[in-house]
Amino acid sequence: EVQLVQSGAEVKKPGESLKISCKGSGYSFTNFWIAWVRQMPGKGLEWMGMIYPPDSDTRYSPSFQGQVTISVDKSITTAYLQWSSLKASDSAIYYCARRSYNYGDHLDYWGQGTLVTVSS
Amino acid sequence: EIVLTQSPGTLSLSPGERVTLSCRASQSVSSDYLAWYQQKPGQAPRLLIYGASSRATGIPDRFSGRGSGTDFTLTIRRLEPEDFAVYYCQQYGSSPMYSFGQGTKLEIK
Repeated sequence: EVQLVQSGAEVKKPGESLKISCKGSGYSFTNFWIAWVRQMPGKGLEWMGMIYPPDSDTRYSPSFQGQVTISVDKSITTAYLQWSSLKASDSAIYYCARRSYNYGDHLDYWGQGTLVTVSS
Repeated sequence: EIVLTQSPGTLSLSPGERVTLSCRASQSVSSDYLAWYQQKPGQAPRLLIYGASSRATGIPDRFSGRGSGTDFTLTIRRLEPEDFAVYYCQQYGSSPMYSFGQGTKLEIK
C-alpha cells in the first residue's frame, strides 16, 4: 500500500526555522517525484515545488522560489520542506504528494498534511 | 501561466441528483494533463480523475470526466452523501508546472 506519512503539527514564532517531513513507503521511492502543496486557511491548493529523489532535481513554483527549500534523503525515503525564517503568512496546511506521469501528469497519493502555525 | 476557473463556486444539491462541475482554462490544456481531486473537510485531497476522463483506482463509476482544449467537466451521476465536498481541477504545463482551480464546493441542500 502506497503511503506518504507526514510529520506532526508545528507551532512556531516568526523568524524561526522549520523543517517538515514526508516519508514514503509501499512503492519504489526513487521512481517518483514528490511534490509539496500549500493550503492556507479556508483557501485552495497551491503547488509549491517538487523533487526527484534519485538526483535531487528540484523544481519550484515562481511563487515559492527562494521562500522555501525542498530536499530529500532517499536512504530513508523521506522528503523535506523547510523554511529558514518563518512569517505569519506561512501558516497553512502543507501536503506532500506523489507525482504520477505514466499517463498524464497528476498527484496520485497524498500525505495527511502538516499544519504549520506561525504566531508570536 | 494557465489559470483554471471553476464554476460555480458553491452548489447546493440533494442526494440522488446529478451534477456537472465546470473547469475552464485560460489557454488550451492537453487532455492528458487535466485532473480532478476531491477534498473533504479535514482530509487531504484525493485524486478522482486523470487524463481528463480516466478514473483513479477505487473511484466509483458515478464519477466521470470529459472535455478538451479549454473546457472540462466533472459529472457525478447520482450524488451520495459522501460526495459532498470540495472539488478541484488541476493542470500540468508550463510554469508553474501545476496549477489548480479555486474549487467548487458541493453542499447538501
